[in-house]
Amino acid sequence: QSALTQPASVSGSPGQSITISCTGTNSEYNLVSWYHQHPGKAPKLMIYEASKRPSGVSNRFSGSKSGNMASLTISGLQAEDEGDYYCCSYAGSNVYVFGTGTTVTVL
Amino acid sequence: EVQLVQSEAEVKKPGESLKISCKGSGYSFASYWIAWVRQMPGKGLEWMGFIYPDHSNTKYSPSFQGQVTISADKSINTAYLQWSILKASDTAVYYCAIWDYDSNFDLLDYWGQGTLVTVSS
Repeated sequence: QSALTQPASVSGSPGQSITISCTGTNSEYNLVSWYHQHPGKAPKLMIYEASKRPSGVSNRFSGSKSGNMASLTISGLQAEDEGDYYCCSYAGSNVYVFGTGTTVTVL
Repeated sequence: EVQLVQSEAEVKKPGESLKISCKGSGYSFASYWIAWVRQMPGKGLEWMGFIYPDHSNTKYSPSFQGQVTISADKSINTAYLQWSILKASDTAVYYCAIWDYDSNFDLLDYWGQGTLVTVSS
């Protein structure tokens, strides 16, 4: 199962908006989630079902999906948003696959 | 409070066997899928597979099928990940996570603290 494709890194200044893409998702389902991971820590769910935000996650985070590409947008970038972001898609047959990961840097 | 507590770090030699654990508490352990996720040093997350503890229905990513065994003992609320023959390339942090929805159809977000497995001669 090949990993989904994400850009290796994305950066932005505080207050700006950035978007992370995730290519190769299953176009038949909206089952795409996004995770944020700080070094040495377990991942944290930021978006699920492509655009739903879990309780407690800032509304600065939003997700979308079209065809086989999903995107995560972070608005009003803050220092705490730094870290690695991973998309995850349902691949079919009760199997999931993560993306290659994107390192977000706040300049 | 929902918690997943994983077993401690392990250091093993190539060719040895290993079983690591993930103990759930604060929820109905048998009724929610538990997944295992690998993270090799400096690398990304990889979904390995998951298990439904109530009837031990298990699904594996093709990349991990035949390489590891996922099991669970619902009587003690514990899921396992095991290897019969470890390789140096199995060196990684392994996370367990609830991979399921709650009664409101919201995706759950509970993870273990991770278990570092080091395989070295």
